[in-house]
Amino acid sequence: DTAVSQTPKYLVTQMGNDKSIKCEQNLGHDTMYWYKQDSKKFLKIMFSYNNKELIINETVPNRFSPKSPDKAHLNLHINSLELGDSAVYFCASSHSILWNNEQFFGPGTRLTVL
Amino acid sequence: DAKTTQPNSMESNEEEPVHLPCNHSTISGTDYIHWYRQLPSQGPEYVIHGLTSNVNNRMASLAIAEDRKSSTLILHRATLRDAAVYYCILTPHLTQGGSEKLVFGKGTKLTVNP
Repeated sequence: DTAVSQTPKYLVTQMGNDKSIKCEQNLGHDTMYWYKQDSKKFLKIMFSYNNKELIINETVPNRFSPKSPDKAHLNLHINSLELGDSAVYFCASSHSILWNNEQFFGPGTRLTVL
Repeated sequence: DAKTTQPNSMESNEEEPVHLPCNHSTISGTDYIHWYRQLPSQGPEYVIHGLTSNVNNRMASLAIAEDRKSSTLILHRATLRDAAVYYCILTPHLTQGGSEKLVFGKGTKLTVNP
């Protein structure tokens, strides 16, 4: 069984469109994250939710809006997509918000904005 | 920017030990040292973490320098499945704040020769 799953795996869209990426974890974890891996392969945290509450919101444009309907799901909605949004987006989860907890990552969603 | 420095690439032969170094001279007293690895087209996978003492688990060993400004991930017997990019990151102890440290740099690309 997949621990952390993301859909879709690939997303190709035009500039200006709105798109969503979904993430689900079946590990019973309290904390979920979104990371962005850019073309230089740097992986940076974007958001973190703990029990459906926003804990971390890094310097991310407010075109990006995470939503956590329950603690097993953390979706990422992106408005008015720009070329610079092209990247691989990873969802992750951990037992708790303590940073020394192991994080489990999803397989990633490759977003290409044309 | 990542707060750790790693060699861009390393090469090993199958069944031989591999020592992957990481420098983190700006580490603070409560930062944990985490290692993750990323296989091609997959999300990062937790390997090991430590604070001050050396750590062992089924995947690897982590040797931490006495001044904590560097660490070494040790794969005791490399296999072809160990070929991946290995990331060394610092994770702050506090649950909030310090998330800017959660940047996975370029890591070390490990090639394992049969």
